[in-house]
Amino acid sequence: QQQVKQSPQSLIVQKGGISIINCAYENTAFDYFPWYQQFPGKGPALLIAIRPDVSEKKEGRFTISFNKSAKQFSLHIMDSQPGDSATYFCAASNGNAGNMLTFGGGTRLMVKP
Amino acid sequence: DGGITQSPKYLFRKEGQNVTLSCEQNLNHDAMYWYRQDPGQGLRLIYYSQIVNDFQKGDIAEGYSVSREKKESFPLTVTSAQKNPTAFYLCASSMGLVERQPQHFGDGTRLSIL
Repeated sequence: QQQVKQSPQSLIVQKGGISIINCAYENTAFDYFPWYQQFPGKGPALLIAIRPDVSEKKEGRFTISFNKSAKQFSLHIMDSQPGDSATYFCAASNGNAGNMLTFGGGTRLMVKP
Repeated sequence: DGGITQSPKYLFRKEGQNVTLSCEQNLNHDAMYWYRQDPGQGLRLIYYSQIVNDFQKGDIAEGYSVSREKKESFPLTVTSAQKNPTAFYLCASSMGLVERQPQHFGDGTRLSIL
């Protein structure tokens, strides 16, 4: 049972454009939502994370938007750059049940120069 | 520099053979994890450990085994019982299983069947 659904599977954006990746979850007990960035042949690296008590968190060009009632959250990459080309994973965890992360299926982003 | 070291980077397994993947961390983290990543898919949890000499099965533990004899080390053995072992294996660690501590990942081991 996939508890975190991520879309799209792949995304092509022109340099300078906005990349948007969406995730939806089922478990209402989830209370921590990180995003990871993974380059080929490397392990994922934490990019940004949000808790459900805020609706938006911004770090540089990266913004997480969170909609608790819809059980959805999304990553926006503003002014996308070729160096942003990577696979992005959303994840979720329940802080009251340990730090176990449930990952989405990933989105392969390509930013064209 | 603190971090997680996985070795080897590439590993080949013959039929009926057990292979062991190494994971070492110098972050002084209590919790360690093993994930499996298949092409175009997300990460799936194999095993995790909260403390030395203790570990728990994740979602896909069948055909795998682990040990946690030292805080710094969490090796994963892929046994011959794992019929589809070809994948990218990732080790991670965090300060603990509470307080939503971020997980830090190594650079993975790619396992293939000969």
